[in-house]
Amino acid sequence: QKEVEQNSGPLSVPEGAIASLNCTYSDRGSQSFFWYRQYSGKSPELIMFIYSNGDKEDGRFTAQLNKASQYVSLLIRDSQPSDSATYLCAVKGGQAGTALIFGKGTTLSVSS
Amino acid sequence: KAGVTQTPRYLIKTRGQQVTLSCSPISGHRSVSWYQQTPGQGLQFLFEYFSETQRNKGNFPGRFSGRQFSNSRSEMNVSTLELGDSALYLCASSLEAREGQYFGPGTRLTVT
Repeated sequence: QKEVEQNSGPLSVPEGAIASLNCTYSDRGSQSFFWYRQYSGKSPELIMFIYSNGDKEDGRFTAQLNKASQYVSLLIRDSQPSDSATYLCAVKGGQAGTALIFGKGTTLSVSS
Repeated sequence: KAGVTQTPRYLIKTRGQQVTLSCSPISGHRSVSWYQQTPGQGLQFLFEYFSETQRNKGNFPGRFSGRQFSNSRSEMNVSTLELGDSALYLCASSLEAREGQYFGPGTRLTVT
């Protein structure tokens, strides 16, 4: 069983739409959850983190966490072509301790 | 604040050689982690250093090693290079164990 799973995509949305990215994790002891954005040829950039169940909003981004279902999601409102990138879900805590355990990422394509 | 810096940015080595990569964390960050990114395996955790001590280690062979200096700068070393070691090596720093990690630009290592 993979520790952190994401749909590889590509996920294609038109400009202005809401993009919904999903992630599941296997370690129930995981305590911190992160979303990174990675443009082609660049390093990952931290965009959101969430520790508690529920929603956390930051500008056009909303992270959602459901620990009972072991599910994390990222919503991007008013998607822009500049949002086209690979989005990586990462978890920390549990058996992995301080290490970030990454999913393989979901490629998002926003068309204008 | 300056971000995480890594040197060199690109490196070409021959099988059997060894290599040392360097990382300077964000000022004030004492935790430095190293990751390997390949197209097939994604981002995988190598090890983490905190206050000059290895605090966590991933599932990589002993050829991969690292250290951290008193100024929090870190180096990682790979000995007896193999073709499969060709990857993007990323360094990340964080302030607290629970928080997200901020990545440097990476070192692209090619082993021929």
